[in-house]
Amino acid sequence: KAGVTQTPRYLIKTRGQQVTLSCSPISGHRSVSWYQQTPGQGLQFLFEYFSETQRNKGNFPGRFSGRQFSNSRSEMNVSTLELGDSALYLCASSSDRGYQPQHFGDGTRLSIL
Amino acid sequence: QKEVEQDPGPLSVPEGAIVSLNCTYSNSAFQYFMWYRQYSRKGPELLMYTYSSGNKEDGRFTAQVDKSSKYISLFIRDSQPSDSATYLCAMEPGGQGAQKLVFGQGTRLTINP
Repeated sequence: KAGVTQTPRYLIKTRGQQVTLSCSPISGHRSVSWYQQTPGQGLQFLFEYFSETQRNKGNFPGRFSGRQFSNSRSEMNVSTLELGDSALYLCASSSDRGYQPQHFGDGTRLSIL
Repeated sequence: QKEVEQDPGPLSVPEGAIVSLNCTYSNSAFQYFMWYRQYSRKGPELLMYTYSSGNKEDGRFTAQVDKSSKYISLFIRDSQPSDSATYLCAMEPGGQGAQKLVFGQGTRLTINP
């Protein structure tokens, strides 16, 4: 079974631009969550989508948004990029059959110049 | 104060040693406890998860949860150089619509041959 796939793996942007990251969950998984990982703050929850609806949201500004498609694939968007947005963005998916732990992709490394 | 506290290390031990990694937490609502392993330039890989208090063993790995003390541990027996990685504890309340992991800072572990 293929794991969680994130594209692109690396991205370089400049301040003020916007960016879209993509995530394909494990086949059959309908819950997709996004996390930001930085050396200073560690892994922090951004938001979770289930059946095309945002079900949970973390404490990030409105510049961070996401969506989920009918095939469970998800995208997250960051607008008006700031230097502090440089981070590893991780996507995780899980099954909705009872409690199932989340499985992570290898992330997208975003660098802001 | 962070909801989940984890000693960031670094921790360096000789090959074959028993390794003990620990996390404490403050939110009594946490019901599901995970340990992830993260290699450089990769996403977190799920090692083990437990529900509520108790022990769980998987090969050389043992996870312990003590909810009365709000303390969780991961033990690695017969440690190998391939175990060198960052270990992240994570936890969440569980239940419908609660896919929102809270992570510790991660402990960087090195196993010396």
